[in-house]
Amino acid sequence: EAEVAQSPRYKITEKSQAVAFWCDPISGHATLYWYRQILGQGPELLVQFQDESVVDDSQLPKDRFSAERLKGVDSTLKIQPAELGDSAMYLCASSSRTGVDTQYFGPGTRLTVL
Amino acid sequence: EDQVTQSPEALRLQEGESSSLNCSYTVSGLRGLFWYRQDPGKGPEFLFTLYSAGEEKEKERLKATLTKKESFLHITAPKPEDSATYLCAVFQGGSEKLVFGKGTKLTVNP
Repeated sequence: EAEVAQSPRYKITEKSQAVAFWCDPISGHATLYWYRQILGQGPELLVQFQDESVVDDSQLPKDRFSAERLKGVDSTLKIQPAELGDSAMYLCASSSRTGVDTQYFGPGTRLTVL
Repeated sequence: EDQVTQSPEALRLQEGESSSLNCSYTVSGLRGLFWYRQDPGKGPEFLFTLYSAGEEKEKERLKATLTKKESFLHITAPKPEDSATYLCAVFQGGSEKLVFGKGTKLTVNP
């Protein structure tokens, strides 16, 4: 069964350091999403890609966060510099198309900022 | 503002004790409602999509229903392996994004 891959699974960093997360969506899925999930809350969308283009990054803190999907396949989410409040689970999801289509999630990256 | 409210926040059941989880929403132009299961430290796992009031979907011990204002996830004769957090999310046509509730943490004791 096809799955969304993410790495690393866990990341511990100190504040002011740079971190990067990687996501490989299900093969053939044109739409890719990055979510942030704080403990006890539901996931919140950070950025959405359609192929290599950003569709929605309205909730992405652009002063410190960046995301790219250069060839329209895998994607990288970067935080520089990391702050204590960035500690959370970062989830990647993909769907075959935009709109009301099922989003399939990866295992996530648990980030702890010390 | 779009709102998705799940209740209860936490639910403890004995094995075999059936119950229901609620998801109420206040969005206009609902285009789909999704249920996911999330185990600790893992990503959400897709369960169901419901598109219109009156629709029902079933999978093993789970049954999801939808009205114009809320959705229920019915769990029949649950087992300990059903213990997880269940997330509800709505897709609203205006924002074209999935909005999640905070989830219901279900614990099923043997």
